[in-house]
Amino acid sequence: GEDVEQSLFLSVREGDSSVINCTYTDSSSTYLYWYKQEPGAGLQLLTYIFSNMDMKQDQRLTVLLNKKDKHLSLRIADTQTGDSAIYFCAESGNAGNNRKLIWGLGTSLAVNP
Amino acid sequence: NAGVMQNPRHLVRRRGQEARLRCSPMKGHSHVYWYRQLPEEGLKFMVYLQKENIIDESGMPKERFSAEFPKEGPSILRIQQVVRGDSAAYFCASSPGQGSNTEAFFGQGTRLTVV
Repeated sequence: GEDVEQSLFLSVREGDSSVINCTYTDSSSTYLYWYKQEPGAGLQLLTYIFSNMDMKQDQRLTVLLNKKDKHLSLRIADTQTGDSAIYFCAESGNAGNNRKLIWGLGTSLAVNP
Repeated sequence: NAGVMQNPRHLVRRRGQEARLRCSPMKGHSHVYWYRQLPEEGLKFMVYLQKENIIDESGMPKERFSAEFPKEGPSILRIQQVVRGDSAAYFCASSPGQGSNTEAFFGQGTRLTVV
């Protein structure tokens, strides 16, 4: 079946790098996503990666994809207190034209001053 | 260009009442998705609609829940005879028509509390 797993909590010090990991099961997924949810807010797309890529960098964010192991990670460089949020990993599945996403439970990132 | 607008942001209903959640997609978007986030759980897909059509409702509970996306006006998620277990955050997302890029834009959600 389809499943996305993430660790639930991560705590880092301000200025350090954060690495949030995710594993997924559907090898036919075309796209993999990272979303950010701040308390009481909606979901903000941070970045996504196409399944034929193994790395994508966007300013402080680096996404690594190991398709063989079905492992996705999000690295946030120079983590700031404003990065404290829940980070969701999601996969598109074999969606075709359907953007039905399969979500992890989210990793709660706490950034300590 | 306003983002995806959901209202109300917070909704309190007594058991047995009806809840109507509205979602106005981004301008030019004709595809709408509804997700539910139960407490301590991740998001679960509920339904995918295009204008006047339900494309995939595989995540919708079989009873009491319905969704529509009329030709004019917002998409509506309707929950009849609400129960405590319906308390959750309901998120709507929209995207342009098929063949476009990957991103679905999310609204801020409606937090439903059933008392």
